Amino acid sequence: GAGVSQTPSNKVTEKGKYVELRCDPISGHTALYWYRQSLGQGPEFLIYFQGTGAADDSGLPNDRFFAVRPEGSVSTLKIQRTERGDSAVYLCASSRDSGEGSYEQYFGPGTRLTVT
Amino acid sequence: GDSVTQMEGPVTLSEEAFLTINCTYTATGYPSLFWYVQYPGEGLQLLLKATKADDKGSNKGFEATYRKETTSFHLEKGSVQVSDSAVYFCALNDNFNKFYFGSGTKLNVKP
Repeated sequence: GAGVSQTPSNKVTEKGKYVELRCDPISGHTALYWYRQSLGQGPEFLIYFQGTGAADDSGLPNDRFFAVRPEGSVSTLKIQRTERGDSAVYLCASSRDSGEGSYEQYFGPGTRLTVT
Repeated sequence: GDSVTQMEGPVTLSEEAFLTINCTYTATGYPSLFWYVQYPGEGLQLLLKATKADDKGSNKGFEATYRKETTSFHLEKGSVQVSDSAVYFCALNDNFNKFYFGSGTKLNVKP
């Protein structure tokens, strides 16, 4: 079946602009995660949704970052007043609650954001 | 807080060589442990996992054993292939749906 998809695959924006990044999770997956991956680093947790609600947003770096998942499926990561330091690959992942405490995540291909 | 540390790369091996990529973790509870792989031009994929101490995860000839006494989850493969060239990430889940990833180890396998 279809995997996790993310759009756009690449986004170039000017400093100070607003951007939205979209994630379509695997159908039926209730959990959705956003990560940020800088060059040469592993994914850094940003936010986790269970259904429509943000169960843990402790990884969002500041209040310029916000994410929504209004219908419990598609999610949008929103970044206001972008800064050059926001340049990274933004990854989305989804999972089905296995009930075993070992949640296997399926990752999308990512959106590469470049702030000029 | 919880964290994962893995050996820096790149690791360069000849085909059929033995592979070890070290991973140690710090966690307050009893996490689940994972290895993810990222092949060139592709997204992250789960390679293997272990949910409790002494569990061994295995897949595609790779193995890792959850060692609570040494807080380690080292990745091993007895005979690597050129197709194993990729970046490998060790990760832990704190069982509250938060994941922590290591910085990744790039593996280059030469024919």
